[in-house]
Amino acid sequence: DAGVTQSPTHLIKTRGQHVTLRCSPISGHKSVSWYQQVLGQGPQFIFQYYEKEERGRGNFPDRFSARQFPNYSSELNVNALLLGDSALYLCASSLGLSESTDTQYFGPGTRLTVL
Amino acid sequence: GNSVTQMEGPVTLSEEAFLTINCTYTATGYPSLFWYVQYPGEGLQLLLKATKADDKGSNKGFEATYRKETTSFHLEKGSVQVSDSAVYFCALSGRYQKVTFGIGTKLQVIP
Repeated sequence: DAGVTQSPTHLIKTRGQHVTLRCSPISGHKSVSWYQQVLGQGPQFIFQYYEKEERGRGNFPDRFSARQFPNYSSELNVNALLLGDSALYLCASSLGLSESTDTQYFGPGTRLTVL
Repeated sequence: GNSVTQMEGPVTLSEEAFLTINCTYTATGYPSLFWYVQYPGEGLQLLLKATKADDKGSNKGFEATYRKETTSFHLEKGSVQVSDSAVYFCALSGRYQKVTFGIGTKLQVIP
């Protein structure tokens, strides 16, 4: 079975631009979460979506938004990019059956560089 | 809020040495605990997990036991290999499946 897939692999943008990152979950998984991993640090939670509804949000500004589609794929949008948004953006999927015992499976990430 | 504290690296070991990476946590309720591994240039891979107190997670020779009394989930391996060189993240899963990660411990195994 295919794992979590993300596109694009790498992306270079300039300050003030907008970016859209895409994620396809493992087949059968209904929950998708997004994380930001700055170089040298652990991933930080951005959003969780389940059945197309936002269930959780981390401490990120409103420039960050996301949505989940009927096929459970997801997009992360970031507006008005700042240099500090440069990071590896990770998508994770899970069955969504249990808040605490579900295992999240991560994609390879999208490396965003903001110049 | 939830938090995870793990020993900072880098940790450098000779091949076949014993590995311990310490991890402690603070959480409300009864979280699940995880170890993820990240190889250079790649995303995160689940290494092992434990969902309740006294559970032992194990995979590829790595083990960790969920210790509620000490709020710990230390990672161990009896004999490391060069191929184990990577960054290891301790993590816990809380409400809305929000996973809280530690800072990561870089392990370098030398022949």
